[in-house]
Amino acid sequence: EAGVTQFPSHSVIEKGQTVTLRCDPISGHDNLYWYRRVMGKEIKFLLHFVKESKQDESGMPNNRFLAERTGGTYSTLKVQPAELEDSGVYFCASSQGGFGSTDTQYFGPGTRLTVL
Amino acid sequence: GEDVEQSLFLSVREGDSSVINCTYTDSSSTYLYWYKQEPGAGLQLLTYIFSNMDMKQDQRLTVLLNKKDKHLSLRIADTQTGDSAIYFCAESPNDYKLSFGAGTTVTVRA
Repeated sequence: EAGVTQFPSHSVIEKGQTVTLRCDPISGHDNLYWYRRVMGKEIKFLLHFVKESKQDESGMPNNRFLAERTGGTYSTLKVQPAELEDSGVYFCASSQGGFGSTDTQYFGPGTRLTVL
Repeated sequence: GEDVEQSLFLSVREGDSSVINCTYTDSSSTYLYWYKQEPGAGLQLLTYIFSNMDMKQDQRLTVLLNKKDKHLSLRIADTQTGDSAIYFCAESPNDYKLSFGAGTTVTVRA
């Protein structure tokens, strides 16, 4: 079974440009999460989808970030226009959903974004 | 708050035990987690502990939880070179989003 995949693995762009990151969750997982690790600091929650609906986007830094999840399958995270402080590693995770026992989040390898 | 703190670096000799410590702030977390990130890879769930447990053992891994002090630790017995990685402690205050620490980079030396 394929795990969570993310594309691209690395992206280097200039300040002011636009970048779109993609995440393909594990097939059948309703929950999809985006997280970000900036400058070796803690990994911070950005947002959570259940199917195609945004359940919680409280971690999104500002309105330059737009996340979508078309048809409840893959998700994109667009940064427009990118700023220097957006550099970091963006992780995607998915989980089956459910209740009671731990709902394990499976993480992708991350996209390393560098804004120059 | 949702602050999770852990030391940044740990160097251990191969064959010794490693202990990684973590403190968290939200006592409502149902589960507490340890994730491992190897170079170039994503986060792998190593183990987790339910908040009403004090200890959980899984092969070479032992997790200790002190709820009173909000302290979580991960002990790796007989540390191997393959254990070199970044280890993240995480809590889940509302049972879905994870709140992570900054990660402890463990270096295993021969």
